[in-house]
Amino acid sequence: NAGVTQTPKFQVLKTGQSMTLQCAQDMNHNSMYWYRQDPGMGLRLIYYSASEGTTDKGEVPNGYNVSRLNKREFSLRLESAAPSQTSVYFCASNGLAGDNEQFFGPGTRLTVL
Amino acid sequence: AQSVSQHNHHVILSEAASLELGCNYSYGGTVNLFWYVQYPGQHLQLLLKYFSGDPLVKGIKGFEAEFIKSKFSFNLRKPSVQWSDTAEYFCAVNEGDSWGKLQFGAGTQVVVTP
Repeated sequence: NAGVTQTPKFQVLKTGQSMTLQCAQDMNHNSMYWYRQDPGMGLRLIYYSASEGTTDKGEVPNGYNVSRLNKREFSLRLESAAPSQTSVYFCASNGLAGDNEQFFGPGTRLTVL
Repeated sequence: AQSVSQHNHHVILSEAASLELGCNYSYGGTVNLFWYVQYPGQHLQLLLKYFSGDPLVKGIKGFEAEFIKSKFSFNLRKPSVQWSDTAEYFCAVNEGDSWGKLQFGAGTQVVVTP
């Protein structure tokens, strides 16, 4: 089992460019999440998908869109990157309704110039 | 909105010292509680979790945490730290009726010196 995988590991963008962060899990989990991690602020939820076919906004959704492509994959898109989106992005997933333990991917370090 | 507070942002201690990291949350209802650890350059891993039952929870690598409902706290402890415990530690809370979503604290950077 690879667990939760993310691509790319690193990315540098110029202001205004767009990109998509990819996330996949092979644990047959229903729910998937995107977080951003900033120094001194912990992890903040951007978007989540409780199950295939559904997505909902988290705490900091502005400037982002998501797609739950299928049960395995959940992508995060930045349509017009801004320097404020410089961060480390983590994808996570969890399985059963009664089990809230989330499993995290290795992260994507994004710099927007 | 719920908040999660971690009292210390940075902790430096020597090997064999005891460690206690504070975590308080603001939600008054049923909660599920977690401590995650992030070793340098790695992704978050679960240390321990509390859902119900015995409020003293034991996790991996000798860590434990105590849920004190009256104090809205879930403090993490380890009696004797090792250099390999150098990491960032995050407390996280899930409201019992907000299935799946976690609210994280700001994190505590722990440095253990040899």
